[in-house]
Amino acid sequence: GAVVSQHPSRVICKSGTSVKIECRSLDFQATTMFWYRQFPKKSLMLMATSNEGSKATYEQGVEKDKFLINHASLTLSTLTVTSAHPEDSSFYICSARDLASGRSYEQFFGPGTRLTVL
Amino acid sequence: LAKTTQPISMDSYEGQEVNITCSHNNIATNDYITWYQQFPSQGPRFIIQGYKTKVTNEVASLFIPADRKSSTLSLPRVSLSDTAVYYCLVTGRDDKIIFGKGTRLHILP
Repeated sequence: GAVVSQHPSRVICKSGTSVKIECRSLDFQATTMFWYRQFPKKSLMLMATSNEGSKATYEQGVEKDKFLINHASLTLSTLTVTSAHPEDSSFYICSARDLASGRSYEQFFGPGTRLTVL
Repeated sequence: LAKTTQPISMDSYEGQEVNITCSHNNIATNDYITWYQQFPSQGPRFIIQGYKTKVTNEVASLFIPADRKSSTLSLPRVSLSDTAVYYCLVTGRDDKIIFGKGTRLHILP
């Protein structure tokens, strides 16, 4: 149980285009999802906290107009990288909490999405 | 959010027991300690979580002293496939998780 999926697993796009990444909790409801970005050989950096039915909370230094987050249902959150540029190339990972279970201290992570902007 | 400190890297050999220690001096009363494993180009994978004393599961043990200011992840009889980055995290029930630098474990044949 407690599986999180991401789609696509990898995407290559041209500079200036927008890319949408989906994060789904497959067998549980996630009122809160988190989006991370990870550069090579670096740790995960929290970008934003996505709450179902409300606006996302962004970490300091993360542009909310560039990284649009929508959490429209209890099983789906999306991250849209708008007008992507080569410096946005990174590994994007989402995670979710299953607050209904007794494992609410645990976050379940998706497999990640590799974004390459040419 | 309690900050964690752990060694940047460690080397060990197949078949050995590996212990990775993490310090978290500012841990709060309600915080838990959680360890994740991450392979290249994959999302982190939960290993073990504990609050105090000792927790053991099928892959690891977690030792937490009484003051809870540190914890030790113990991996018994490691294999080459245990080469990964290991993250020690401290989190409360509703807190977001902030990752530290992690420990890059390299298992040698």
